[in-house]
Amino acid sequence: AQTVTQSQPEMSVQEAETVTLSCTYDTSESDYYLFWYKQPPSRQMILVIRQEAYKQQNATENRFSVNFQKAAKSFSLKISDSQLGDAAMYFCASTNFNAGGTSYGKLTFGQGTILTVHP
Amino acid sequence: GAVVSQHPSWVICKSGTSVKIECRSLDFQATTMFWYRQFPKQSLMLMATSNEGSKATYEQGVEKDKFLINHASLTLSTLTVTSAHPEDSSFYICSASPGQRGAFFGQGTRLTVV
Repeated sequence: AQTVTQSQPEMSVQEAETVTLSCTYDTSESDYYLFWYKQPPSRQMILVIRQEAYKQQNATENRFSVNFQKAAKSFSLKISDSQLGDAAMYFCASTNFNAGGTSYGKLTFGQGTILTVHP
Repeated sequence: GAVVSQHPSWVICKSGTSVKIECRSLDFQATTMFWYRQFPKQSLMLMATSNEGSKATYEQGVEKDKFLINHASLTLSTLTVTSAHPEDSSFYICSASPGQRGAFFGQGTRLTVV
């Protein structure tokens, strides 16, 4: 079984500043994927970034980057140059690798972090 | 690519009636889809895994007779909330995965039972 923990219920940041959201996970699997999803007020879940556990290099998508510490089972999200549109609830999630590919969509979610961006 | 469409976006129904929610993968085939329930400011709770051509797999505590799932084609899964009651009011979200890229979600359905 997998567990994902987000210990920050709420975070805030000033526009143009940088903020880091924390996430820890636990899994007995050797192959797995980690994700950050954003859920704005519209409640549409949007994939922000993903990390493959076997890759040591941290994933980056424009202003979003992760700090993946496999031994510590830590997967934090850094948002640089924060924008008002970044305000949302952010979820960390994990899924196991499955040779058949059917489990990629079965995600285990953290509790979520509400991010407020101040102008 | 990887678009998942969910319909309707919101629905209001009377207590005791049934409501059907559709989830479609528009540009990929999905042998497996997932249904989640979410309460305000809380995380997503997996309800069931929808399997094309076979029975759905329900998570512990989810009433299979209350939440009927049908996955009749590679692009469509439906969730029917039967004999709905006010406590079934919630936000329901489906997802599907085209593979290693991750899971993609429908827009969600806000169900209100009056």
